[in-house]
Amino acid sequence: DVKVTQSSRYLVKRTGEKVFLECVQDMDHENMFWYRQDPGLGLRLIYFSYDVKMKEKGDIPEGYSVSREKKERFSLILESASTNQTSMYLCATITGGSYEQYFGPGTRLTVT
Amino acid sequence: GEDVEQSLFLSVREGDSSVINCTYTDSSSTYLYWYKQEPGAGLQLLTYIFSNMDMKQDQRLTVLLNKKDKHLSLRIADTQTGDSAIYFCAGARAGNMLTFGGGTRLMVKP
Repeated sequence: DVKVTQSSRYLVKRTGEKVFLECVQDMDHENMFWYRQDPGLGLRLIYFSYDVKMKEKGDIPEGYSVSREKKERFSLILESASTNQTSMYLCATITGGSYEQYFGPGTRLTVT
Repeated sequence: GEDVEQSLFLSVREGDSSVINCTYTDSSSTYLYWYKQEPGAGLQLLTYIFSNMDMKQDQRLTVLLNKKDKHLSLRIADTQTGDSAIYFCAGARAGNMLTFGGGTRLMVKP
């Protein structure tokens, strides 16, 4: 079974703090994704990565950056957290040629 | 980019059938998916349909695809309380990326 883990289930940060969200997968998948989930808006793609040290902007990259130094780990960084970044963040992974994205359990981030 | 739309809420009685609808704009999506999210959990792939199919059945789940109207539906037969969750439809786009609808919250009343 593919396992996708995220470093925290719940996180509370203050406005202006730098925030790191970590995602780790154990199936050697090339492709990893970060989404945010907001009620009524579904999941929106923030950033994705096809390989180590590669990153591409998704649909809503503003205010975020990412890091992929190792194949199994994809980090989402909020350089200066703002209240409008309060959301559920979901990591996903897929191997090339497959049809199924595997999701982590999510991190619920609250910025106060 | 693609738009995927779903109604926000559906309520049914236990034992009835549930039908969750989805419309999409990008006819080039090769796969269309249904994901389920239970409270406090990530997304779980329920089923998918390839764009050249009209229907797919998998136990209690039936997916119907109307390519002309760009309409996708998920029917759950004999709905149980354990089916209460948020259901997302999604369309595949280039690079293994998905575009998700806003999610339909299904509430099953005993």
